[in-house]
Amino acid sequence: ETGVTQSPTHLIKTRGQQVTLRCSSQSGHNTVSWYQQALGQGPQFIFQYYREEENGRGNFPPRFSGLQFPNYSSELNVNALELDDSALYLCASSFPPGLGEETQYFGPGTRLLVL
Amino acid sequence: AQTVTQSQPEMSVQEAETVTLSCTYDTSESNYYLFWYKQPPSRQMILVIRQEAYKQQNATENRFSVNFQKAAKSFSLKISDSQLGDTAMYFCASPSNSGNTPLVFGKGTRLSVIA
Repeated sequence: ETGVTQSPTHLIKTRGQQVTLRCSSQSGHNTVSWYQQALGQGPQFIFQYYREEENGRGNFPPRFSGLQFPNYSSELNVNALELDDSALYLCASSFPPGLGEETQYFGPGTRLLVL
Repeated sequence: AQTVTQSQPEMSVQEAETVTLSCTYDTSESNYYLFWYKQPPSRQMILVIRQEAYKQQNATENRFSVNFQKAAKSFSLKISDSQLGDTAMYFCASPSNSGNTPLVFGKGTRLSVIA
């Protein structure tokens, strides 16, 4: 069984740039959720993808966008980077929503630093 | 806004001793899971234990067990025979009252196991 993988592990960008983070879900899972974890805080939900469509969104601006591919992998795109976007970005995969078994299994995260 | 409260920002315990981490939540869902995750310095969020709310029996996973008090919306984690490898941030998570958010996390408890 393959776990959740994310790439890259670390990334440094400057303000105003754009970034793409990638995630491959655990085998058997077709739902992917993205979280932002600022230093010293718990993860904050960004959005979830199921069947290649956004299936829920947290309190994040539209410059945070995503994609899900037919193989269930996913991308998180952030445009016009701001200093406050510096954080650990976590991807989690799970079974589909509504089935009553939605345990989130997390990847190792991507550490983004915006200068 | 929905909250998950972990009232102990930091805790320490001697190796081989027992420690309890507290968590309260305020979901309005009737049937749900609750989770404890561990995040060591390696950053990956690892599932420690989960509790199904409709089950009265407290969940147990080896040295980890929970004390689930549904009416009080309390969900504490007990770690028995603490080991140095248990040193990590521990996050409690509950489902969101909003159908669009899978999980809401607390701010975490930093646990240090001392030799």
